[in-house]
Amino acid sequence: NAGVTQTPKFQVLKTGQSMTLQCAQDMNHNSMYWYRQDPGMGLRLIYYSASEGTTDKGEVPNGYNVSRLNKREFSLRLESAAPSQTSVYFCASSDLAKNIQYFGAGTRLSVL
Amino acid sequence: SQQGEEDPQALSIQEGENATMNCSYKTSINNLQWYRQNSGRGLVHLILIRSNEREKHSGRLRVTLDTSKKSSSLLITASRAADTASYFCATEGNNRLAFGKGNQVVVIP
Repeated sequence: NAGVTQTPKFQVLKTGQSMTLQCAQDMNHNSMYWYRQDPGMGLRLIYYSASEGTTDKGEVPNGYNVSRLNKREFSLRLESAAPSQTSVYFCASSDLAKNIQYFGAGTRLSVL
Repeated sequence: SQQGEEDPQALSIQEGENATMNCSYKTSINNLQWYRQNSGRGLVHLILIRSNEREKHSGRLRVTLDTSKKSSSLLITASRAADTASYFCATEGNNRLAFGKGNQVVVIP
Protein backbone atom coordinates (compact mmCIF):
# COMPACT_ATOMS: atom_id res chain seq x y z
CA ASN A 1 0.00 0.00 0.00
CA ALA A 2 2.09 2.91 -1.31
CA GLY A 3 -0.19 5.83 -0.31
CA VAL A 4 1.23 9.05 -1.75
CA THR A 5 4.39 8.77 -3.84
CA GLN A 6 6.52 11.77 -4.78
CA THR A 7 9.36 11.89 -7.27
CA PRO A 8 12.13 12.90 -7.23
CA LYS A 9 13.22 12.86 -3.58
CA PHE A 10 16.03 15.35 -4.13
CA GLN A 11 16.79 17.85 -6.88
CA VAL A 12 19.31 20.61 -7.46
CA LEU A 13 18.53 23.20 -10.12
CA LYS A 14 20.26 26.27 -11.47
CA THR A 15 18.36 29.55 -11.54
CA GLY A 16 16.15 29.66 -14.62
CA GLN A 17 15.89 25.91 -15.13
CA SER A 18 12.51 24.21 -15.19
CA MET A 19 11.33 20.99 -13.67
CA THR A 20 8.20 19.05 -12.78
CA LEU A 21 7.56 17.40 -9.45
CA GLN A 22 5.42 14.30 -9.73
CA CYS A 23 2.85 13.03 -7.25
CA ALA A 24 0.63 9.98 -7.38
CA GLN A 25 -1.81 8.49 -4.87
CA ASP A 26 -3.41 5.08 -4.83
CA MET A 27 -6.17 5.72 -2.27
CA ASN A 28 -8.81 6.83 -4.78
CA HIS A 29 -8.91 10.26 -3.16
CA ASN A 30 -10.66 13.12 -4.90
CA SER A 31 -8.54 15.98 -3.57
CA MET A 32 -4.83 16.58 -3.93
CA TYR A 33 -2.55 19.34 -2.65
CA TRP A 34 0.92 20.81 -3.05
CA TYR A 35 2.64 22.49 -0.11
CA ARG A 36 6.03 23.98 0.50
CA GLN A 37 7.73 23.85 3.88
CA ASP A 38 10.34 26.39 4.88
CA PRO A 39 12.10 26.68 8.26
CA GLY A 40 9.95 28.58 10.75
CA MET A 41 7.09 28.94 8.25
CA GLY A 42 5.14 25.72 8.65
CA LEU A 43 3.40 24.39 5.55
CA ARG A 44 2.03 26.78 2.97
CA LEU A 45 -0.44 25.70 0.33
CA ILE A 46 0.71 26.30 -3.24
CA TYR A 47 -2.11 24.80 -5.30
CA TYR A 48 -4.82 22.25 -4.76
CA SER A 49 -7.23 20.19 -6.80
CA ALA A 50 -10.57 19.46 -5.19
CA SER A 51 -11.43 16.91 -7.85
CA GLU A 52 -10.21 15.62 -11.20
CA GLY A 53 -10.31 18.41 -13.75
CA THR A 54 -10.17 21.31 -11.29
CA THR A 55 -7.27 23.25 -9.79
CA ASP A 56 -7.17 26.30 -7.55
CA LYS A 57 -4.54 28.63 -6.20
CA GLY A 58 -3.47 28.41 -2.61
CA GLU A 59 -1.53 30.83 -0.46
CA VAL A 60 1.71 31.01 -2.48
CA PRO A 61 1.01 30.11 -6.16
CA ASN A 62 3.37 32.57 -7.88
CA GLY A 63 6.08 30.86 -9.93
CA TYR A 64 4.27 27.51 -10.05
CA ASN A 65 1.82 25.70 -12.29
CA VAL A 66 -0.04 22.46 -11.70
CA SER A 67 -1.72 19.75 -13.72
CA ARG A 68 -4.27 17.24 -12.45
CA LEU A 69 -3.44 14.61 -15.01
CA ASN A 70 -6.07 12.14 -13.79
CA LYS A 71 -7.55 11.14 -10.45
CA ARG A 72 -4.27 9.59 -9.29
CA GLU A 73 -1.71 12.15 -10.42
CA PHE A 74 -1.08 15.81 -9.61
CA SER A 75 2.11 17.45 -10.85
CA LEU A 76 3.77 20.73 -9.88
CA ARG A 77 5.87 22.61 -12.41
CA LEU A 78 8.48 25.30 -11.89
CA GLU A 79 8.89 27.05 -15.23
CA SER A 80 11.89 29.20 -14.29
CA ALA A 81 13.32 28.25 -10.93
CA ALA A 82 14.47 30.96 -8.52
CA PRO A 83 16.56 30.65 -5.33
CA SER A 84 13.45 31.66 -3.35
CA GLN A 85 11.89 28.35 -4.43
CA THR A 86 14.48 26.38 -2.49
CA SER A 87 12.28 24.41 -0.13
CA VAL A 88 10.84 21.03 0.75
CA TYR A 89 7.74 20.27 -1.29
CA PHE A 90 5.01 17.97 -0.06
CA CYS A 91 2.12 16.46 -1.94
CA ALA A 92 -0.96 15.30 -0.06
CA SER A 93 -4.32 13.76 -0.84
CA SER A 94 -7.64 13.44 0.94
CA ASP A 95 -11.19 12.39 0.39
CA LEU A 96 -13.79 15.12 0.66
CA ALA A 97 -15.74 13.45 3.43
CA LYS A 98 -13.16 13.93 6.19
CA ASN A 99 -10.34 16.04 4.74
CA ILE A 100 -7.75 14.08 6.65
CA GLN A 101 -4.69 14.53 4.50
CA TYR A 102 -2.12 11.87 3.66
CA PHE A 103 1.33 13.13 2.80
CA GLY A 104 4.14 11.97 0.60
CA ALA A 105 7.73 11.84 1.83
CA GLY A 106 8.63 15.15 0.21
CA THR A 107 10.94 16.51 -2.47
CA ARG A 108 13.95 18.50 -1.29
CA LEU A 109 14.70 21.14 -3.91
CA SER A 110 17.68 23.47 -3.99
CA VAL A 111 17.89 26.26 -6.55
CA LEU A 112 21.38 27.71 -6.94
CA SER B 1 -2.52 32.83 5.46
CA GLN B 2 -1.30 30.90 8.49
CA GLN B 3 -4.29 29.97 10.59
CA GLY B 4 -2.89 27.99 13.46
CA GLU B 5 -0.23 29.26 15.78
CA GLU B 6 1.35 26.78 18.14
CA ASP B 7 2.81 27.72 21.51
CA PRO B 8 5.46 26.89 22.73
CA GLN B 9 7.63 26.51 19.68
CA ALA B 10 10.10 24.04 21.17
CA LEU B 11 9.82 21.66 24.09
CA SER B 12 12.38 19.35 25.65
CA ILE B 13 11.20 16.80 28.21
CA GLN B 14 12.29 13.62 29.91
CA GLU B 15 10.86 10.30 28.87
CA GLY B 16 7.74 9.55 30.90
CA GLU B 17 6.75 13.19 31.33
CA ASN B 18 3.72 14.76 29.70
CA ALA B 19 4.01 17.21 26.81
CA THR B 20 1.45 19.92 26.16
CA MET B 21 1.20 22.08 23.07
CA ASN B 22 -1.25 24.86 22.32
CA CYS B 23 -2.68 26.21 19.11
CA SER B 24 -4.74 29.32 18.45
CA TYR B 25 -6.62 30.28 15.33
CA LYS B 26 -8.45 33.29 14.00
CA THR B 27 -11.57 32.32 12.05
CA SER B 28 -14.44 29.86 12.43
CA ILE B 29 -13.58 26.26 11.63
CA ASN B 30 -15.21 22.95 10.71
CA ASN B 31 -12.63 20.94 12.57
CA LEU B 32 -9.11 21.10 13.91
CA GLN B 33 -6.49 18.44 13.30
CA TRP B 34 -3.09 17.61 14.73
CA TYR B 35 -0.28 16.11 12.66
CA ARG B 36 3.15 14.75 13.54
CA GLN B 37 6.28 15.07 11.40
CA ASN B 38 9.35 13.01 12.11
CA SER B 39 12.63 14.44 10.87
CA GLY B 40 12.93 14.17 7.10
CA ARG B 41 9.46 12.68 6.65
CA GLY B 42 6.00 13.78 5.59
CA LEU B 43 3.26 14.71 8.01
CA VAL B 44 1.12 12.02 9.60
CA HIS B 45 -2.40 12.65 10.85
CA LEU B 46 -2.86 12.08 14.59
CA ILE B 47 -6.31 13.20 15.61
CA LEU B 48 -9.27 15.29 14.45
CA ILE B 49 -11.66 17.18 16.70
CA ARG B 50 -14.84 18.66 15.29
CA SER B 51 -16.01 22.17 16.09
CA ASN B 52 -18.88 20.84 18.24
CA GLU B 53 -16.57 18.64 20.35
CA ARG B 54 -14.67 19.83 23.41
CA GLU B 55 -12.32 16.93 24.11
CA LYS B 56 -11.12 13.83 22.33
CA HIS B 57 -8.79 10.99 23.25
CA SER B 58 -6.75 8.61 21.16
CA GLY B 59 -4.33 6.34 23.01
CA ARG B 60 -1.85 8.61 24.82
CA LEU B 61 -3.17 11.69 23.02
CA ARG B 62 -5.72 14.08 24.44
CA VAL B 63 -6.97 17.05 22.43
CA THR B 64 -9.16 19.85 23.69
CA LEU B 65 -10.92 22.52 21.68
CA ASP B 66 -12.30 25.81 22.97
CA THR B 67 -14.11 27.54 20.12
CA SER B 68 -14.95 30.57 22.27
CA LYS B 69 -11.22 31.22 22.74
CA LYS B 70 -10.32 29.85 19.31
CA SER B 71 -7.71 27.57 20.81
CA SER B 72 -6.78 23.91 21.07
CA SER B 73 -4.29 21.92 23.08
CA LEU B 74 -2.58 18.59 22.44
CA LEU B 75 -1.41 16.56 25.42
CA ILE B 76 0.88 13.57 25.00
CA THR B 77 0.98 11.53 28.20
CA ALA B 78 3.86 9.33 29.34
CA SER B 79 6.10 10.49 26.51
CA ARG B 80 8.52 8.14 24.78
CA ALA B 81 11.69 8.79 22.82
CA ALA B 82 9.73 7.86 19.68
CA ASP B 83 7.47 10.88 20.28
CA THR B 84 10.38 13.16 19.31
CA ALA B 85 8.97 15.04 16.33
CA SER B 86 7.39 18.28 15.21
CA TYR B 87 3.68 18.65 15.86
CA PHE B 88 1.40 20.83 13.75
CA CYS B 89 -2.15 21.93 14.25
CA ALA B 90 -4.28 22.53 11.17
CA THR B 91 -7.67 24.15 10.87
CA GLU B 92 -10.10 23.01 8.21
CA GLY B 93 -12.32 25.33 6.26
CA ASN B 94 -13.46 25.40 2.62
CA ASN B 95 -12.02 21.89 2.14
CA ARG B 96 -8.53 23.21 2.78
CA LEU B 97 -6.22 22.94 5.76
CA ALA B 98 -4.26 25.86 7.17
CA PHE B 99 -1.23 24.69 9.16
CA GLY B 100 0.50 26.35 12.05
CA LYS B 101 4.26 26.77 12.23
CA GLY B 102 4.80 23.67 14.35
CA ASN B 103 6.06 22.64 17.76
CA GLN B 104 9.32 20.76 18.03
CA VAL B 105 9.27 18.21 20.84
CA VAL B 106 12.38 16.38 21.99
CA VAL B 107 11.93 13.50 24.42
CA ILE B 108 15.14 12.65 26.24
CA PRO B 109 15.52 8.96 27.09
